[in-house]
Amino acid sequence: EVQLVESGGGLVQPGRSLRLSCVASGFSFDDYAMHWVRQAPGKGLEWVSGINWKSDKVGYADSVKGRFTISRDNAQTSLYLQLNSLRVDDTALYFCVKDISLIVVTWGDSYFDYWGPGTLVTVSS
Amino acid sequence: SYELTQPPSVSVSPGQTARITCSGDALPKQYTSWYQQKAGQAPLLVIYRDSERPSGIPDRFSGSSSGTTVTLTITGVQAEDEADFYCQSADSSGTYVVFGGGTKLTVL
Repeated sequence: EVQLVESGGGLVQPGRSLRLSCVASGFSFDDYAMHWVRQAPGKGLEWVSGINWKSDKVGYADSVKGRFTISRDNAQTSLYLQLNSLRVDDTALYFCVKDISLIVVTWGDSYFDYWGPGTLVTVSS
Repeated sequence: SYELTQPPSVSVSPGQTARITCSGDALPKQYTSWYQQKAGQAPLLVIYRDSERPSGIPDRFSGSSSGTTVTLTITGVQAEDEADFYCQSADSSGTYVVFGGGTKLTVL
């Protein structure tokens, strides 16, 4: 059974940093691209970032580029998101998401077949 | 920035057919997927690559594509289908993943 479990969320002041983690199990983690998708309270879904299986292809939404960094550790079957210079509008539930595709040439190849329950990040003074 | 446009809401009676559209200029070049999100739950993939259905998804869910519009069709809608539905695709160069704004399906 595929499981994705996020952690690291919490309440943080604007301008501060946070590191999210996601531990994966139940599939060959090092075969698949992984992503972070967020959802602000009462709002829709927003893709944040993606990383391919060997970490040589990464992508970011414009809203987080230069502030967030995605990474993974295949030996630990873990995905990470470093959030720096946090803003109030970064407040959201952050989902760790598995890509359905084995080969991702562009993010147009990406679809999301498993989602974690999410970890809530609240940015407020 | 690239956007996908969905109607905010669709309402149907049980047993009827619901159609939810998603429009975007790059859709002729990029595949689209659809997600169902019930209140308090993570999204669930119901259609990918325009019309493929993951295992375990009822065959009353189907997808189609025509030009710059893709459509999620739910035939014989059931009360349990009430949820928010999101389309997802990419910009024309595949640099970004993009979600539509979401459509709330209400079963009357």
